[in-house]
Amino acid sequence: TQLLEQSPQFLSIQEGENLTVYCNSSSVFSSLQWYRQEPGEGPVLLVTVVTGGEVKKLKRLTFQFGDARKDSSLHITAAQPGDTGLYLCAGAQSGTASKLTFGTGTRLQVTL
Amino acid sequence: EPEVTQTPSHQVTQMGQEVILRCVPISNHLYFYWYRQILGQKVEFLVSFYNNEISEKSEIFDDQFSVERPDGSNFTLKIRSTKLEDSAMYFCASRLANYGYTFGSGTRLTVV
Repeated sequence: TQLLEQSPQFLSIQEGENLTVYCNSSSVFSSLQWYRQEPGEGPVLLVTVVTGGEVKKLKRLTFQFGDARKDSSLHITAAQPGDTGLYLCAGAQSGTASKLTFGTGTRLQVTL
Repeated sequence: EPEVTQTPSHQVTQMGQEVILRCVPISNHLYFYWYRQILGQKVEFLVSFYNNEISEKSEIFDDQFSVERPDGSNFTLKIRSTKLEDSAMYFCASRLANYGYTFGSGTRLTVV
């Protein structure tokens, strides 16, 4: 059974602070995706990382895939209240179906 | 932007009744999925569907569950005899090869 552990589970910070969310596994994934989920909604894809060591930037969000493709991180610079939400990492194995194994989630709250 | 549409948004059913959850994936997507999320828990894979057949299913997806793509546009999940523990958010997702998933907004199933 593949598991993806995210840390921290909860994070409450003030506007302007930086933060990093970690996603760790003992399994190797062919790709890793980060999603954001609002209450009562489905996950919305933020980014997909495929290559070990890959770094992708999405405005103030920086995503990194570990060299061994077992872990990933999400770094947010100068957090804003609009960043508040549940962040999920999800790993995909190679193969046609490429089902996703979701992480445990990190709930971020950014206050003024 | 293309969307995955799910209906109904909320379904309440009595234990033992059959329910059908409906999804309209993005039209040119090739892979279709059902996931579920029990309240407070992580998103779990149920089943993947490709080329008009199930390509993978999880242990959760037992004989009480079935999927169909009856007309080339709809993708349904049927639960034959619902149990209390089937109460969850059910998410449909679709994707084109080598791209990230697009999730629907989900159907909240409540079994009473």
